[in-house]
Amino acid sequence: AQRVTQPEKLLSVFKGAPVELKCNYSYSGSPELFWYVQYSRQRLQLLLRHISRESIKGFTADLNKGETSFHLKKPFAQEEDSAMYYCALSYQGAQKLVFGQGTRLTINP
Amino acid sequence: GAVVSQHPSRVICKSGTSVKIECRSLDFQATTMFWYRQFPKQSLMLMATSNEGSKATYEQGVEKDKFLINHASLTLSTLTVTSAHPEDSSFYICSARDWGTGSPDTQYFGPGTRLTVL
Repeated sequence: AQRVTQPEKLLSVFKGAPVELKCNYSYSGSPELFWYVQYSRQRLQLLLRHISRESIKGFTADLNKGETSFHLKKPFAQEEDSAMYYCALSYQGAQKLVFGQGTRLTINP
Repeated sequence: GAVVSQHPSRVICKSGTSVKIECRSLDFQATTMFWYRQFPKQSLMLMATSNEGSKATYEQGVEKDKFLINHASLTLSTLTVTSAHPEDSSFYICSARDWGTGSPDTQYFGPGTRLTVL
């Protein structure tokens, strides 16, 4: 079965410090991984996907098939990064998404 | 672009009544919409996949007769919680895929509907 695990429910770092939100997955097929973000009082929105290999708002994530991980990283955290972050895996031809439990990131001034 | 709306945003109802939640794609056509449920401090759980013009596909463990889904047009899907009970209280979120201008593997999410059953 498909599963996405985010081991940290809460993560707090200071502004300017590096951030890493962990995500591990289990899936027997070829995965497509995503990071979604939900800012306070806003809807869930796509942050980035592994296929694009892009950097959005300074965040990057690399798919490591050996470690079955897709950790989200940013070298210098900003206060506006405070939000709920969900890692998700797509399967069945991108028809369905399985979400991790989410990590609430708080950036302290 | 790619905006999804939900109505209502909040609803409180008495036990035993039915509640309908609408999900609309405002600026694109969505042949496929998804319904999720989110319990407090928990993740989103996919309930069903709604396909325009055909029956919805439900995830294992989701009661089809309890959660009726209708996708009558390319911009509207509805979720009806029938004979609601307090345990149905939750946050219901829909999403839609934009096959037109956006990447097909991107789901755009609605703002969610908070259902409270007394």
